[in-house]
Amino acid sequence: GQNIDQPTEMTATEGAIVQINCTYQTSGFNGLFWYQQHAGEAPTFLSYNVLDGLEEKGRFSSFLSRSKGYSYLLLKELQMKDSASYLCAVYYNQGGKLIFGQGTELSVKP
Amino acid sequence: DVKVTQSSRYLVKRTGEKVFLECVQDMDHENMFWYRQDPGLGLRLIYFSYDVKMKEKGDIPEGYSVSREKKERFSLILESASTNQTSMYLCASSTDPPTGNQETQYFGPGTRLLVL
Repeated sequence: GQNIDQPTEMTATEGAIVQINCTYQTSGFNGLFWYQQHAGEAPTFLSYNVLDGLEEKGRFSSFLSRSKGYSYLLLKELQMKDSASYLCAVYYNQGGKLIFGQGTELSVKP
Repeated sequence: DVKVTQSSRYLVKRTGEKVFLECVQDMDHENMFWYRQDPGLGLRLIYFSYDVKMKEKGDIPEGYSVSREKKERFSLILESASTNQTSMYLCASSTDPPTGNQETQYFGPGTRLLVL
């Protein structure tokens, strides 16, 4: 299968930095997405990586290593509103569908 | 503004009922998807469609069917609802098939279905 692995839950403090990791099977890999999902709401797009390296977007950055089958989402200057589930999704070269990890539930505490 | 809408936010049905979940997108996207989301299991793909009248099975199609008669509308059908189909159902749409360029899936607000 095409297992996407990410931690189930993480806790961090307001103002801190947190890194959420994601590993995936590399065969047929065509790109990797990160989504944010607040409780009871639909996922919203955060980032897309297809090449190796770091993509920075304000407080959020996403990193990809294609050879290692590894990505992380980095959240800086954490705010309470960042408490949400973060979904890693891989775009495989087999017809355009995304395979999602189970999501990482992030709790930001004061 | 990008928009994917679903017919209901909350739905309660009885075992054995036929259930229709409707999804409409106004972005002229070719691709449409139906997922279900359950605690601890993440998003799982039920069915998807790349064009009108075209459908492909996802990872968990059993107990479901779909219909895409028009480009903007993708319907998920539970032929005979069962309690294990109680879940959050999310519809999504996206642009053309893979070219290696950036694309995203846009999600609807979700339908929380309870089957009694």
